[in-house]
Amino acid sequence: DAGVIQSPRHEVTEMGQEVTLRCKPISGHNSLFWYRQTMMRGLELLIYFNNNVPIDDSGMPEDRFSAKMPNASFSTLKIQPSEPRDSAVYFCASRTDTDTQYFGPGTRLTVL
Amino acid sequence: GENVEQHPSTLSVQEGDSAVIKCTYSDSASNYFPWYKQELGKRPQLIIDIRSNVGEKKDQRIAVTLNKTAKHFSLHITETQPEDSAVYFCAASLYQFYFGTGTSLTVIP
Repeated sequence: DAGVIQSPRHEVTEMGQEVTLRCKPISGHNSLFWYRQTMMRGLELLIYFNNNVPIDDSGMPEDRFSAKMPNASFSTLKIQPSEPRDSAVYFCASRTDTDTQYFGPGTRLTVL
Repeated sequence: GENVEQHPSTLSVQEGDSAVIKCTYSDSASNYFPWYKQELGKRPQLIIDIRSNVGEKKDQRIAVTLNKTAKHFSLHITETQPEDSAVYFCAASLYQFYFGTGTSLTVIP
């Protein structure tokens, strides 16, 4: 199994631009999580999906952030418009109902 | 919701000594407690986990203990080695995972 796949691995953009992060969970996993990690705030849960349905999006910072999971093998996290304070590493993770979470390699986002 | 506290935030030990990291949780319904290790620039990776029906679990130099009554669990690393240097996160889970704030462990050769 290839594990959780994220793209891009690095993204550098200018303030005001739209950013889309992508995630492919492990096949057979029915829950998907988006996290943001910074030195100041640690590992924050942004949103999680179960069976493609958003269950808890209370961690999404504001309306500039949106996430979708159109099918069991793909999810996106979109930031529009991006701001410098959005600079962070964004991790996607997936799991089954009875297993642990497995993290993807992360996307390092820099907003100039 | 669940609240997980983790201590200490930083820990330095001499190579060969033991390291202990402690976490407390607030929701007695949580039933799964994993520990993740994150090396610099890498993703968090599971190193050991424990479920609420077990009090202790060992895997070579790593052990985790769980006290459900007191709602705390601990990670024990014995015979520490320089490659154990990393940030360690605890988590408590019923459905979603609630992570602690991390412990930066440095093993001094």
